[in-house]
Amino acid sequence: AAGVIQSPRHLIKEKRETATLKCYPIPRHDTVYWYQQGPGQDPQFLISFYEKMQSDKGSIPDRFSAQQFSDYHSELNMSSLELGDSALYFCASSPGLAAYKEETQYFGPGTRLLVL
Amino acid sequence: AQSVTQLGSHVSVSEGALVLLRCNYSSSVPPYLFWYVQYPNQGLQLLLKYTTGATLVKGINGFEAEFKKSETSFHLTKPSAHMSDAAEYFCAVSGAAGNKLTFGGGTRVLVKP
Repeated sequence: AAGVIQSPRHLIKEKRETATLKCYPIPRHDTVYWYQQGPGQDPQFLISFYEKMQSDKGSIPDRFSAQQFSDYHSELNMSSLELGDSALYFCASSPGLAAYKEETQYFGPGTRLLVL
Repeated sequence: AQSVTQLGSHVSVSEGALVLLRCNYSSSVPPYLFWYVQYPNQGLQLLLKYTTGATLVKGINGFEAEFKKSETSFHLTKPSAHMSDAAEYFCAVSGAAGNKLTFGGGTRVLVKP
């Protein structure tokens, strides 16, 4: 079965650089979530989208922005990177149609970002 | 608002022994509860979930969990640990379908031969 795809899987950046993480949800899933997992930490919710509109916002820094496109893929844009942004970034998707709203979020393998 | 507390950041069990991972939650609405497993350098894989109905839920790899509303708990168990169960386990709660997940701090399981 198709799973959530994230790219790139690994990314190394310098401080103050920018990074773009991409997420391709499971086909027919229209809800996308982004989470950040710092070293030894539990995943923290950043932001979510439903039908290309932001549906919820968590502890996402102002330096970060995200959007969902017409094909439902999503991109997380990170600017002015800081050392503390080094983490594993997960994308998850779920089907959010009113007639088939499912509570399970299916996670991608994550993008490991290292900021030097 | 929701929160999750996992008692014990590390658990060590012998192969063949019972695995018990504790999870307590706080939620202002009827919760949806999940257990996810994370193997080293991998993503989160759903083990099982509780939404409504039967309070004892069975998941993959022989795991099960019981929702106890009176105790606000959703403990995860497996009767007999395998070496392949060594991983980190996260309990999570959400308030509704389409809502964010709030995770506990995770419990790392070590299985001894």
